[in-house]
Amino acid sequence: ETGVTQTPRHLVMGMTNKKSLKCEQHLGHNAMYWYKQSAKKPLELMFVYNFKEQTENNSVPSRFSPECPNSSHLFLHLHTLQPEDSALYLCASSQDGGQLNTEAFFGQGTRLTVV
Amino acid sequence: SQQGEEDPQALSIQEGENATMNCSYKTSINNLQWYRQNSGRGLVHLILIRSNEREKHSGRLRVTLDTSKKSSSLLITASRAADTASYFCATDAHNAGNMLTFGGGTRLMVKP
Repeated sequence: ETGVTQTPRHLVMGMTNKKSLKCEQHLGHNAMYWYKQSAKKPLELMFVYNFKEQTENNSVPSRFSPECPNSSHLFLHLHTLQPEDSALYLCASSQDGGQLNTEAFFGQGTRLTVV
Repeated sequence: SQQGEEDPQALSIQEGENATMNCSYKTSINNLQWYRQNSGRGLVHLILIRSNEREKHSGRLRVTLDTSKKSSSLLITASRAADTASYFCATDAHNAGNMLTFGGGTRLMVKP
């Protein structure tokens, strides 16, 4: 266990559905991240929150909407997704976003399938 | 294109052999990290090497960094079947707001 928990572990949703992914960490970290991992592609950074403020939005389509109510919780709200959005979505946290020489702690990921 | 690129993309070895994976990157960095990922699961941090370091050890892992060539290598000695996983390098580049950028990974298979 890395201290970062993601739920659900698996999710199947239709293109018209609305769902949310949840990430929780109790490591005392101030930065949280969403990454997307598709088959045969590098890990893609989607969003970064540092001290609850979004500091990075890596040109992610608006059908993905992040929310960070506090430093311990991060959500990714999903709406009208496309089949190509099917991927493993990974949440990570680190002590301080943008701080040098810090490692990231990852959750186990949510395997999302859009049908 | 991504900052870090691993080589080879896939590697298959026998248990007991050493495994070497390489990572190249494009821009100057603060540090370079290696992560491991078992199939369909999250990434686990293995080791971090700072830009002013040339070599670092952790158990059976040995990481080198050559900033002049913008490359790093991860050596796993005396490999075990349990080392089977994907290995990723990640850099926090000066021109990326110090955010971690990952390469495509090396899939390592260690046969018992």
